[in-house]
Amino acid sequence: AQTVTQSQPEMSVQEAETVTLSCTYDTSESNYYLFWYKQPPSRQMILVIRQEAYKQQNATENRFSVNFQKAAKSFSLKISDSQLGDTAMYFCAFAYEKLTFGTGTRLTIIP
Amino acid sequence: GAVVSQHPSWVICKSGTSVKIECRSLDFQATTMFWYRQFPKQSLMLMATSNEGSKATYEQGVEKDKFLINHASLTLSTLTVTSAHPEDSSFYICSAIGLERGGDEQFFGPGTRLTVL
Repeated sequence: AQTVTQSQPEMSVQEAETVTLSCTYDTSESNYYLFWYKQPPSRQMILVIRQEAYKQQNATENRFSVNFQKAAKSFSLKISDSQLGDTAMYFCAFAYEKLTFGTGTRLTIIP
Repeated sequence: GAVVSQHPSWVICKSGTSVKIECRSLDFQATTMFWYRQFPKQSLMLMATSNEGSKATYEQGVEKDKFLINHASLTLSTLTVTSAHPEDSSFYICSAIGLERGGDEQFFGPGTRLTVL
């Protein structure tokens, strides 16, 4: 069974700063997907960024980028120029046949 | 992105009654739908996977007789919590996958808060 670990239960940064959320996973599969989801207070799950395991290039979406290290089974999320609207719960998720979520990191952006 | 709706968004029921939650894909055909449960300040836990026209596949530890899942059409799945008890109070989230939407990304509904008195 796959497991996903997020070692930072809570983080806070000043607005406009850069923050990195860590995620590690364990799997014996070679082809899979990795996702970062954001869950704001509304509790609607919002896809932030995705990475296909077969791609070596790290995914980027505007202010969001990942550092995907397949051999180390690491998938961290970097948020640049953080904004107040980035305040939310962030979940790392591993996808192979089904989604397995990490325990989440509560991120607070301080004005 | 694709839109998935859930109804109701919030429901309160008495212990012993049954509650039905609907999950609809509004602008695509959902070949597979998933049901998750989320306790306060915790992660999403997959309860079951359903494919249109087939019986749902339940995760280990999930009582299939308590949580009845029906995926009768390509746009609708329902979760019925039978004989609900206070411990069933939780936030239930559905998601859907559609081949016309790539087939590899789950689109999430807004969730349903269930409170059992």
